[in-house]
Amino acid sequence: KQEVTQIPAALSVPEGENLVLNCSFTDSAIYNLQWFRQDPGKGLTSLLLIQSSQREQTSGRLNASLDKSSGRSTLYIAASQPGDSATYLCAETGGYQKVTFGIGTKLQVIP
Amino acid sequence: DAGVIQSPRHEVTEMGQEVTLRCKPISGHNSLFWYRQTMMRGLELLIYFNNNVPIDDSGMPEDRFSAKMPNASFSTLKIQPSEPRDSAVYFCASSPTDDPFFGPGTRLTVL
Repeated sequence: KQEVTQIPAALSVPEGENLVLNCSFTDSAIYNLQWFRQDPGKGLTSLLLIQSSQREQTSGRLNASLDKSSGRSTLYIAASQPGDSATYLCAETGGYQKVTFGIGTKLQVIP
Repeated sequence: DAGVIQSPRHEVTEMGQEVTLRCKPISGHNSLFWYRQTMMRGLELLIYFNNNVPIDDSGMPEDRFSAKMPNASFSTLKIQPSEPRDSAVYFCASSPTDDPFFGPGTRLTVL
């Protein structure tokens, strides 16, 4: 059974700070790694998807990296804003498009 | 495109009743997933279909749960009989290849 672990479970930072969210996975045959954002009471929104052949993806203030050999991914958020407050989930896709999620990191950016 | 559509958005029922959750995937997506999200366990994959065929139902908690996909544009997740521990948010997601798109979820409360 594949497992995805996210650390920390919760994080509170002042506005403007750069931060890193961590994700580790056990699947050695990962197909891709994806980061999602979930706002309270809402569904999931895809932020970045990294294919297994890639090392990183960037979108605006977000940068996600993937290191298959160590089974780790990080999501870097630059110059955090209160609107970034949400739960961030990491998910790895293995064979047959099976997606396994971490439990998430709840981020609070304080104005 | 309206995205993945789920109904109902909220369901409150009494223990022992049958519950049916519905999902309309995005047109053209050949994979469909049912997830359950709770505070304790996070997002859990229940079952997924590829081209309307169930590929992996190992996440279905027990025989009380069943899922069908009679055609490419409709799927149901049924719980019979429902129990209080089934209370959770149930998400449906569809995917063309490796990037799942999530519906808004159905919040189920079993009293």
